[in-house]
Amino acid sequence: GENVEQHPSTLSVQEGDSAVIKCTYSDSASNYFPWYKQELGKRPQLIIDIRSNVGEKKDQRIAVTLNKTAKHFSLHITETQPEDSAVYFCAASLNNDMRFGAGTRLTVKP
Amino acid sequence: GAVVSQHPSRVICKSGTSVKIECRSLDFQATTMFWYRQFPKKSLMLMATSNEGSKATYEQGVEKDKFLINHASLTLSTLTVTSAHPEDSSFYICSAMAWGGGNTGELFFGEGSRLTVL
Repeated sequence: GENVEQHPSTLSVQEGDSAVIKCTYSDSASNYFPWYKQELGKRPQLIIDIRSNVGEKKDQRIAVTLNKTAKHFSLHITETQPEDSAVYFCAASLNNDMRFGAGTRLTVKP
Repeated sequence: GAVVSQHPSRVICKSGTSVKIECRSLDFQATTMFWYRQFPKKSLMLMATSNEGSKATYEQGVEKDKFLINHASLTLSTLTVTSAHPEDSSFYICSAMAWGGGNTGELFFGEGSRLTVL
């Protein structure tokens, strides 16, 4: 089955700096890669996703890149703000089977 | 986006009792729902895939007799923790897949249910 690894587990940045979270997956057939943001005690929320036919996608301060050959994808957050502080999960999915990374706790210091 | 509602958000029960958690897709039909368990500061651990009108598919290591899943309609799946014990205390989250085209739908999560077994 699919195995998703996520790094780093914790990340601390200064407000205004960029943050990068990386994930690798094992199943080359996976074709959908969402990123979720989970604030303490709340449900995960989809922040951006990318499908396997696209190499990069951007939404304001958030971007995701996908390297299918290397089977890795990354989340980039620019101009970080304190409200970006949360746990971020990557996931890889094929049809109904979605597997999550272990999560990255991002702290943005004001 | 699509809305998934989960109830109750918090439940405290005595050891040995059973607890039912409901997961509803409010504005779309979900043939497939998923149940996760999340330990503090940990990732989402998939417990089972709930399929409408058929038996759930459990992940390895998850006791199907312990965690009963019923998906009787296209908008409702339930998770019953039977004979709960303190080690079952956890945050349980459901999700449902909304299909907007393509082979893989987007996943929407319920609010989660925090179970505390005394």
